[in-house]
Amino acid sequence: EDQVTQSPEALRLQEGESSSLNCSYTVSGLRGLFWYRQDPGKGPEFLFTLYSAGEEKEKERLKATLTKKESFLHITAPKPEDSATYLCAVIRGGADGLTFGKGTHLIIQP
Amino acid sequence: NAGVTQTPKFQVLKTGQSMTLQCAQDMNHEYMSWYRQDPGMGLRLIHYSVGAGITDQGEVPNGYNVSRSTTEDFPLRLLSAAPSQTSVYFCASSYSPTSYEQYFGPGTRLTVT
Repeated sequence: EDQVTQSPEALRLQEGESSSLNCSYTVSGLRGLFWYRQDPGKGPEFLFTLYSAGEEKEKERLKATLTKKESFLHITAPKPEDSATYLCAVIRGGADGLTFGKGTHLIIQP
Repeated sequence: NAGVTQTPKFQVLKTGQSMTLQCAQDMNHEYMSWYRQDPGMGLRLIHYSVGAGITDQGEVPNGYNVSRSTTEDFPLRLLSAAPSQTSVYFCASSYSPTSYEQYFGPGTRLTVT
């Protein structure tokens, strides 16, 4: 059974204070790992797809990395508008859909 | 492009009532799916479709029906609503079953009393 565990469940940072969110996964035959951002009352917004260990992708203040067991979402010098819940999901070959973690609720205080 | 649209945004049902949640996309995506999101749990797959006329069950299909008569639309039907179906429902689509980057709609918040 595919499993995705995200930590921490919640994180409060000061504006400009860099940190990382963790997503550890157990899946046979990983085809892709995804990061989404979800704002309150809205649907998940796609951020990144990572396909193989060692891969990295960046977008503004966000950088996602992937190893064989986990992925990190690094947030550099965050701003209050980066406050959201960040979701990690995986898909394996032949799977029906995404398996999601429970998310990390990130709050950036001015 | 409107992307993925869902209606209604909010709905309250009584136990035993039926209703249909609507989902449409204008991106010509072949793959569409329905998820539910509950507090303290990750999004869970209900049903999915890899193209018009083809549907299949996901992780939590009981109590829900789907059909896919067109590429654009993928409605989710609750035949006899139960309090356990109180949740936020999201529809998602992607270009093809092997294009894993799914794009989500804004959600429908359903309460069953």
